Amino acid sequence: GAGVSQSPSNKVTEKGKDVELRCDPISGHTALYWYRQSLGQGLEFLIYFQGNSAPDKSGLPSDRFSAERTGGSVSTLTIQRTQQEDSAVYLCASSSGQGSEKLFFGSGTQLSVL
Amino acid sequence: AQSVSQHNHHVILSEAASLELGCNYSYGGTVNLFWYVQYPGQHLQLLLKYFSGDPLVKGIKGFEAEFIKSKFSFNLRKPSVQWSDTAEYFCAVNKGGSYIPTFGRGTSLIVHP
Repeated sequence: GAGVSQSPSNKVTEKGKDVELRCDPISGHTALYWYRQSLGQGLEFLIYFQGNSAPDKSGLPSDRFSAERTGGSVSTLTIQRTQQEDSAVYLCASSSGQGSEKLFFGSGTQLSVL
Repeated sequence: AQSVSQHNHHVILSEAASLELGCNYSYGGTVNLFWYVQYPGQHLQLLLKYFSGDPLVKGIKGFEAEFIKSKFSFNLRKPSVQWSDTAEYFCAVNKGGSYIPTFGRGTSLIVHP
């Protein structure tokens, strides 16, 4: 596609529910990233995919968070048993995977846990 | 662990004022350096990047940044800001060989017309 697409753009959920966030990267980009942006906290790295593999998932805050990528394309970030502290904007980015190349970001999913 | 520090969290300027946003990082080896910008209601986009060569790099919209290795810094500058520069600015650093940028907390810039 023309850019990185994320859905939904907004998600309101109740504490304890599971949520799935979707990212559709730019076609042909092998690298895919998930970051979390909280108010005043900058961008917090969550997980990095190269193809369908996740060589670095060190940023996932707890075992309630998981992510997968299929077909070297779409990725899903799943948060189980959501907590209020999970409220944030979840950003997906993709790149050609060359290391020094720029990231292309999606518009993010605003997650609100009530 | 690598960290990226942006010293100014909120900056308010009048149009035509000069801008300098600080960025320092903690990693001592080879680095790739980036400044990203997020305009209101838009997604993050690259402003400029440095990975080798001339330490003074020029980006879009009249922005430039200087890599000073001895100071572990990559400050962003613009001689004369415009109202349309109102945005959130993020510095990011990759260790050489790493594919994962570490971002600073961001600086919110408001430019009054």
